[in-house]
Amino acid sequence: AQTVTQSQPEMSVQEAETVTLSCTYDTSESDYYLFWYKQPPSRQMILVIRQEAYKQQNATENRFSVNFQKAAKSFSLKISDSQLGDAAMYFCAFSDAGNMLTFGGGTRLMVKP
Amino acid sequence: DAGVTQSPTHLIKTRGQHVTLRCSPISGHKSVSWYQQVLGQGPQFIFQYYEKEERGRGNFPDRFSARQFPNYSSELNVNALLLGDSALYLCASSLAQGNQPQHFGDGTRLSIL
Repeated sequence: AQTVTQSQPEMSVQEAETVTLSCTYDTSESDYYLFWYKQPPSRQMILVIRQEAYKQQNATENRFSVNFQKAAKSFSLKISDSQLGDAAMYFCAFSDAGNMLTFGGGTRLMVKP
Repeated sequence: DAGVTQSPTHLIKTRGQHVTLRCSPISGHKSVSWYQQVLGQGPQFIFQYYEKEERGRGNFPDRFSARQFPNYSSELNVNALLLGDSALYLCASSLAQGNQPQHFGDGTRLSIL
């Protein structure tokens, strides 16, 4: 069974600054996918960024980028130029080829104006 | 285009009752997955359906069941409700099984008294 661990229950960042959220996972699979989802108070889970394990290049989506360390089973999310709208719960998630997601416990991100 | 829609938005039940939650996927999506999110935790996978067949089941008791209809909409049924079933129930749809992004609905908040 796969496990996903987010060791930071809460993080805060000043507006316009950069913040990094941590995630580690455990799996015996060789083919898998990693995700970061954002969940604002509106409850809807929004996909932020996705990484295929077979790709060495780190995924990037505008202000969001990941640091994927496959050997260390680490998958951190970097948010640059933080905005007030980035405040939310962030969940790291893992899926195998079957596309069933395993989520971490989440990190609450607060953005200070 | 409409996103994933779930009904009802909020539901209050008492212990021992049963409940049916409904989900309509994005048009053209054939796979639906259900997740349970207890307050303060990450979502946990319950079921995945693709082409009206169960393709995956999480570690939930037999009180939980689901089905998918010919129009790809889905129902999640929970019998003999317990206080611990209080949670946000999320539905996600994707085009197919496998390496496909999952799009989430706003969820149904189930409260058990």
